[in-house]
Amino acid sequence: NAGVTQTPKFQVLKTGQSMTLQCAQDMNHEYMSWYRQDPGMGLRLIHYSVGAGITDQGEVPNGYNVSRSTTEDFPLRLLSAAPSQTSVYFCASSTMWGQKNQPQHFGDGTRLSIL
Amino acid sequence: EDKVVQSPLSLVVHEGDTVTLNCSYEVTNFRSLLWYKQEKKAPTFLFMLTSSGIEKKSGRLSSILDKKELFSILNITATQTGDSAIYLCAASSFSGAGSYQLTFGKGTKLSVIP
Repeated sequence: NAGVTQTPKFQVLKTGQSMTLQCAQDMNHEYMSWYRQDPGMGLRLIHYSVGAGITDQGEVPNGYNVSRSTTEDFPLRLLSAAPSQTSVYFCASSTMWGQKNQPQHFGDGTRLSIL
Repeated sequence: EDKVVQSPLSLVVHEGDTVTLNCSYEVTNFRSLLWYKQEKKAPTFLFMLTSSGIEKKSGRLSSILDKKELFSILNITATQTGDSAIYLCAASSFSGAGSYQLTFGKGTKLSVIP
């Protein structure tokens, strides 16, 4: 039972480079989300999706793009990496509110450093 | 702006002590309050609280929500070194069309020393 799988686990980028953080879940969850976690800041919501083809912005969306072409996958794209995007990124998924009312399941995170 | 505040931010206790972690929240369209434990990697779910005054328990951990005063507490009795972690509180708010968002606090770092 894989749950939420994030790749890569670690990545170092140079300023201005682009990359995609991958997130996949095998629980048929409609709701998927991306957070970043910085020291002393807790988790902050970047983008979320309530189903294939539907995405919305969270608290800190600038510099990030998302798309949701399938239920299983929710990639996060950094268009032009900046040192301020150095962080640990978590993907999470859950059933939609009002159904099973289940909490979010988190992946193990991607540690990203921008030089 | 939705806000979740946890206190204390860090805490050091001895094994066997009882600790109380605090979480206050101000969110629009509040739905529930969640507690997570984060050790080295992914946060793991502890409790979800939707009703005021009803305690949830799991072993030595328990939690309760006060929707009138907008706060929750997480109690850990007879602490063990394995309880050392960051404890995250999150408020869930309804954002329309069956969707929701989680607003997290900064977390309480608990260290249990033998």
